Order: sequence, then C-alpha cells, then structure tokens
Amino acid sequence: QKEVEQDPGPLSVPEGAIVSLNCTYSNSAFQYFMWYRQYSRKGPELLMYTYSSGNKEDGRFTAQVDKSSKYISLFIRDSQPSDSATYLCAMIKAAGNKLTFGGGTRVLVKP
Amino acid sequence: DTAVSQTPKYLVTQMGNDKSIKCEQNLGHDTMYWYKQDSKKFLKIMFSYNNKELIINETVPNRFSPKSPDKAHLNLHINSLELGDSAVYFCASSQIVGSGEKLFFGSGTQLSVL
Repeated sequence: QKEVEQDPGPLSVPEGAIVSLNCTYSNSAFQYFMWYRQYSRKGPELLMYTYSSGNKEDGRFTAQVDKSSKYISLFIRDSQPSDSATYLCAMIKAAGNKLTFGGGTRVLVKP
Repeated sequence: DTAVSQTPKYLVTQMGNDKSIKCEQNLGHDTMYWYKQDSKKFLKIMFSYNNKELIINETVPNRFSPKSPDKAHLNLHINSLELGDSAVYFCASSQIVGSGEKLFFGSGTQLSVL
C-alpha cells in the first residue's frame, strides 16, 4: 500500500462546477500538506501549502486538512477550462525530509 | 528569468549511451532535487543536495550520478542507459518555510531510450 493514495480519475466536470479532489495517507507524522497543479508537458506548480489541520482559502481554491482522518482535500470553485490539468497532493514531515506525492488526479473541465 | 531551468527539454538516445541533464535555479535556495516521473504520473524522489552536499539518496542504480558544482546547479549524469530509464526527470529547488518546505519544479526533461 502506498503512503499517499489519490484517485487517478479522470474527473470530468462542466465549466462553473465545483471540483473536489482528495488524498488519504497512512503516516501520521506528515505535518505539511501541499497541492500541485501539473499541465501536460510542464513541471508541477505549487498551488496550496498548509500546515496541520484546518482550511485555507486562496481565490477559487480551498485546501482542507483533517489529520485525525488522515485526509486532505482541494476544492476548486467556479471551475474553468484552464483548470484542466493533473492535480497532485504532496506531504512532508518536516524540512529536510522526503516530499511524498500522491499519484495525481486528472481533471477535465468542459466548456 | 525562469526560476528553475533544466536542459535539454527532450532527450532521445540509444540504449547503452551516457547522457547528462543540467539544472540551474536562480531563487537563491540551498536545496535542490532530482525527481523521476513515470508514465503513470507518479513522482519519485531520486536525490537531494543541500549546499552542494548529498542529503537524500534513494534506491537509485549507481548508473545515476548527480553532481552539484555550486548550490545553484545540480546536474544528473546517467551511464549505460536502459529502456526502463525512459521517463520525465524533474529538477526542483526548495524554500524553507518555518519548519516546512516548499518545492519549486523545472519544466522537465523527457528522456526516451530506444
């Protein structure tokens, strides 16, 4: 079993819908949680960075962390075709440790 | 003014050859990484260097040899290339945030071994 599990999708939604993505993890030592967006033939781009449990909002993006359930989520409101990409969750215990990635979820936002 | 840049973007070569990928970051970060992304999009760490010193060395064949001439550069040399080495290789650098860390990635090198 992988340390971080993420549904590969694809997840297809109409433009304007809310996109809901999530990851589960098994190691309770993870403290810092990230979401990356990766367009085709590009490198991953950091979208959200959160520490411990709670919510964080940035524009149309909301990241949630529930450490008690070992579950993190990313919500994209008012989705646009330009949001079509692969979204990767990632987490780390502390600086200097390995950043562990989920396998990514492919999202398609249809106009 | 690209933050993390790696070259070449595409690399097509024959089995058995030796090749290098170069990476440079102008973010002033102390730590740099090499990651491998397979066809299923799974990103796996290979190496990490902090200020030219090797910090993380995952279970990678010793045909792969990273070299860091200074903290802004981390190159990857691969000897005797095999078919299974075909993948996208990403360089990254990291910024320490409190006791956490944010990684910033280059745009990748797509390696195809024929």
